[in-house]
Amino acid sequence: QKEVEQDPGPLSVPEGAIVSLNCTYSNSAFQYFMWYRQYSRKGPELLMYTYSSGNKEDGRFTAQVDKSSKYISLFIRDSQPSDSATYLCAMSYNAGNMLTFGGGTRLMVKP
Amino acid sequence: GAVVSQHPSWVICKSGTSVKIECRSLDFQATTMFWYRQFPKQSLMLMATSNEGSKATYEQGVEKDKFLINHASLTLSTLTVTSAHPEDSSFYICSARTSGSTQRGTDTQYFGPGTRLTVL
Repeated sequence: QKEVEQDPGPLSVPEGAIVSLNCTYSNSAFQYFMWYRQYSRKGPELLMYTYSSGNKEDGRFTAQVDKSSKYISLFIRDSQPSDSATYLCAMSYNAGNMLTFGGGTRLMVKP
Repeated sequence: GAVVSQHPSWVICKSGTSVKIECRSLDFQATTMFWYRQFPKQSLMLMATSNEGSKATYEQGVEKDKFLINHASLTLSTLTVTSAHPEDSSFYICSARTSGSTQRGTDTQYFGPGTRLTVL
C-alpha cells in the first residue's frame, strides 16, 4: 500500500463546474499538506499549503485537511480550461523537508 | 517571490556522455535543495537531498556515483548524470526549500521548471 493514494483520473468536467480532488494517506505523522499543479512538461507549482487540520481558501481554491480520517481535499470553484493539469498532493512530517507525493490526478476542464 | 530556475530546459545527448543540470533559487537562499525524477504519467520520485556545503543524501536505489550532486552555494545546486544511458532519459526536477515565510506558505519547497533529458 502506498503511503499516499490519489485517484489518477482523468477527471473531465465542464467549464464552471466545482472540482473536488482528494488524497488519502496512511501515516498519521504527516503534519504539512500541500497541493501542487503541474502542467505538461513543466515543474509543479505550489497552490496550497496547510498545516494540520482545517480549511484554507485562496481565490477559487479551497484546501481541506481531516487528519482524523487521513483525508485531504482540494476544491476548485468555477473551473476554467486553464485549470486543466495534473494535480499532485504532497505531505511531510516537518516543514520543508522530504515530501511524499500522491500519484497525481489529471484534470480536464472542457469549454 | 520563491522562484527556482533550471538550466538547460531540455538536453539530448549520446549514450556514454555526461550531462550537468543546474538548479538556482533566484530570489531566496536555499540551504536545502532536492532532486526528483519523473517518468511519463508518473509522480515525482525523490532522488536525493542536497544541503549546502555537505554531501548529498541519496534515496535507496539511486546510484550516487552516477548522479553526482553538488550544492556549492546557497543558490545553486547541480546534478551531473555521468555516463548517461537511454534508461536515464527522464524529466529531472529540482526544488528548493525556503527558510522563511513566503506568499504561499512557510518553509516549503518550490520547484524548478524541470529539465527533459533524452539519451540516444
